[in-house]
Amino acid sequence: QVQLQESGPGLVKPSQTLSLTCTVSGGSISSGDYYWSWIRQPPGKGLEWIGYIYYSGSTYYNPSLKSRVTISVDTSKNQFSLKLSSVTAADTAVYYCAREASIVGATGLLGLGGMDVWGQGTTVTVSS
Amino acid sequence: QSALTQPASVSGSPGQSITISCTGTSSDVGGYNYVSWYQQHPGKAPKLMIYEVSNRPSGVPDRFSGSKSGNTASLTISGLQAEDEADYYCSSYTSSSTLEFGGGTKLTVL
Repeated sequence: QVQLQESGPGLVKPSQTLSLTCTVSGGSISSGDYYWSWIRQPPGKGLEWIGYIYYSGSTYYNPSLKSRVTISVDTSKNQFSLKLSSVTAADTAVYYCAREASIVGATGLLGLGGMDVWGQGTTVTVSS
Repeated sequence: QSALTQPASVSGSPGQSITISCTGTSSDVGGYNYVSWYQQHPGKAPKLMIYEVSNRPSGVPDRFSGSKSGNTASLTISGLQAEDEADYYCSSYTSSSTLEFGGGTKLTVL
């Protein structure tokens, strides 16, 4: 079955860029049935959606993070990545990648069918 | 502050039923049948329990059910069991093609 695995530095200095990669195994990231998501969870707090990407490169971002976020996809490596710039302590969180079932039409994303596969999560701490 | 409003906590005794609400607007919950519910145990990744308002993925017990009325979606757990104690989050597709989560609800099984 499909599995997702996050990877990247566990410690990032303030004002630098956080970079994480999610590797997809057991299935193709190029499946047209899914968007590929990043979600984070600060310590003791709730889930926050960061954004998602389609295999074609189409992206949607959380408006509150949009100015600092870039999500990209590498179909040859079956991976998608997250970059979050100008980080502060408020960006300290467990970062998850997930597969979101998607309803896609001629005009783009039309609906979502739930995130049915999640990575285990990776803890990123922002500290000098 | 989360875009979708959930109660911070709910509780129930084993065997009882509980309902968790998730209130949004006509631009998210009320406008689309794309509401999902997730269960998260401490230190674990979330697990999809309900998708598209009321559908259960394979393997999720039929004690879990979902519904929607207007701008409010609900998750009902019947026949509460000890292992149901967890945090529960709703999410919804929005008119901007983005996704929103609720703030989460802590379920305590007494």
